[in-house]
Amino acid sequence: EPEVTQTPSHQVTQMGQEVILRCVPISNHLYFYWYRQILGQKVEFLVSFYNNEISEKSEIFDDQFSVERPDGSNFTLKIRSTKLEDSAMYFCASSQKESVRNTIYFGEGSWLTVV
Amino acid sequence: GEDVEQSLFLSVREGDSSVINCTYTDSSSTYLYWYKQEPGAGLQLLTYIFSNMDMKQDQRLTVLLNKKDKHLSLRIADTQTGDSAIYFCAECEGGSYIPTFGRGTSLIVHP
Repeated sequence: EPEVTQTPSHQVTQMGQEVILRCVPISNHLYFYWYRQILGQKVEFLVSFYNNEISEKSEIFDDQFSVERPDGSNFTLKIRSTKLEDSAMYFCASSQKESVRNTIYFGEGSWLTVV
Repeated sequence: GEDVEQSLFLSVREGDSSVINCTYTDSSSTYLYWYKQEPGAGLQLLTYIFSNMDMKQDQRLTVLLNKKDKHLSLRIADTQTGDSAIYFCAECEGGSYIPTFGRGTSLIVHP
């Protein structure tokens, strides 16, 4: 079964450093998402991306965050200057269509620890 | 804004039924979902229910929706050790295709 893959699975970074989390969505999917889950808290929506632009974003997704689809297969989340509170599991997801009935497929997550 | 709440842990004996509960606040929710996350894996859609339905059954899984109380439950019959995972409740409000998730309920199945 096709799957969404994420790298790295775990990254430790120093506060203030830039981090790039990478994702390879399912190949025929057109909609891409990033979610995050801080330990013990809810899975929170960050951003959705379609046709090479952001289609929707949450309040969490401020100027420190950016997304990019650099080469037609990867989908990246960049955090410019990490803060301690950015420590979380970051999930990438993709879907074929923009529809509530359409299945969103999630990756295994990238665990980011900011020290 | 919308909010989804669920208890953090549920422990059941193998062979018993598990019932995982969820409450939500958005009365305009159109679709409600249950996702499962096994250790080391991503969130996997288990089942969903449209808001005009009360119940949906799929093999060992039964989803019950009480719209009046904004309460969603997932019942797993004959729970097995392989059902041990984190179960996330999620909902899409009217007009949105992006689900809002709860914290997840860790289901622990013991012999």
